[in-house]
Amino acid sequence: EAGVAQSPRYKIIEKRQSVAFWCNPISGHATLYWYQQILGQGPKLLIQFQNNGVVDDSQLPKDRFSAERLKGVDSTLKIQPAKLEDSAVYLCASSLIQTGVAAYGYTFGSGTRLTVV
Amino acid sequence: QKEVEQNSGPLSVPEGAIASLNCTYSDRGSQSFFWYRQYSGKSPELIMFIYSNGDKEDGRFTAQLNKASQYVSLLIRDSQPSDSATYLCAVTGRGYGGATNKLIFGTGTLLAVQP
Repeated sequence: EAGVAQSPRYKIIEKRQSVAFWCNPISGHATLYWYQQILGQGPKLLIQFQNNGVVDDSQLPKDRFSAERLKGVDSTLKIQPAKLEDSAVYLCASSLIQTGVAAYGYTFGSGTRLTVV
Repeated sequence: QKEVEQNSGPLSVPEGAIASLNCTYSDRGSQSFFWYRQYSGKSPELIMFIYSNGDKEDGRFTAQLNKASQYVSLLIRDSQPSDSATYLCAVTGRGYGGATNKLIFGTGTLLAVQP
């Protein structure tokens, strides 16, 4: 079974520029999550999708972050404009069904390391 | 109060010793508890999960849960240098509608196993 795919692996941009990250979840996984992990901290949930609908985006800074999941499969996370404090690793994860996370947790992709200079 | 609290460490143990990692959580409604291991520069990897009070063993790893005390721990027996990593505690959190379908993570404990 292929894992969660993310790209790019690394990205360096200047502040006020825009950037986009891509995630392809494990085949058949209905629920997809984007987490932000700042150096030295644990992952923080930004947004959760169930199929192509948003379930939880309460911690997404909506003035600059946006995300979509077209057709309930791939997802993109965008930052526009970026700030220095957005430097972090952006992790995508997926789980089989919405309640599946209570039983089995979920699998992370390799992440995208963003540096804003 | 943070939702999931861990001592950031570093926790240093000699090779072959038992490493004990601890975690407390604030939401009494949390139902499932997970331990992830994260090597430097890598993404988190699930190593253990536990739902019921008591101990759960898997190889050299033992997860312990005490819901009354809102406490979960991970014991690593016969610690090896390859166990050196950050260990993240995660608990299920309430999403919209009260469904516990997301994980809330602690900040992680850095474990260093000395050869």
